[in-house]
Amino acid sequence: GAGVSQSPRYKVAKRGQDVALRCDPISGHVSLFWYQQALGQGPEFLTYFQNEAQLDKSGLPSDRFFAERPEGSVSTLKIQRTQQEDSAVYLCASSQGQGGYEQYFGPGTRLTVT
Amino acid sequence: AQKVTQAQTEISVVEKEDVTLDCVYETRDTTYYLFWYKQPPSGELVFLIRRNSFDEQNEISGRYSWNFQKSTSSFNFTITASQVVDSAVYFCALRVGTGGFKTIFGAGTRLFVKA
Repeated sequence: GAGVSQSPRYKVAKRGQDVALRCDPISGHVSLFWYQQALGQGPEFLTYFQNEAQLDKSGLPSDRFFAERPEGSVSTLKIQRTQQEDSAVYLCASSQGQGGYEQYFGPGTRLTVT
Repeated sequence: AQKVTQAQTEISVVEKEDVTLDCVYETRDTTYYLFWYKQPPSGELVFLIRRNSFDEQNEISGRYSWNFQKSTSSFNFTITASQVVDSAVYFCALRVGTGGFKTIFGAGTRLFVKA
């Protein structure tokens, strides 16, 4: 498939556990984005990568959230010491660039913290 | 600051009715991009359309049409002759600047199309 893929699709974590969410963008897309979508809300920006450089992480809710894209392709969003308020769908998107380029979204990872 | 408002939380129509989803945006920048996305029950956001701030031409694509009016900061989306498969959550979004990357989404409008 040529689309954005994310794994796992569903993750249940006990409060305090660490989790890692993976995103495989469309091949050749330099821009990669992470969003958090709470139930009944629109996606909210978390962080942005251009190739391997993390250009903006202003949307990360706390220092428990960490994202990386070491080789400019696959990205991982890590959440340490998960809390109940972290429960949400985490969406990854990729695009050919900034500005007016449309973003292509993956199916998301639904994280439930119990 | 930028903001996107979708005042309609839910809309319910009967198949074949026309329906308009409203979107009002706020930005002080002169260069910006507006988007509409569809999120079906499967959860994956699907890109529908992009408009830049310098192009106010309305657009029609099959049963879909978009009305962009800078004077009222609105970018409304109309589905003509709605079908059950149109049932989804629709998001309007704003991105500012030619080098912009942060996309601001509205809260979405959930559309129910009944047979």
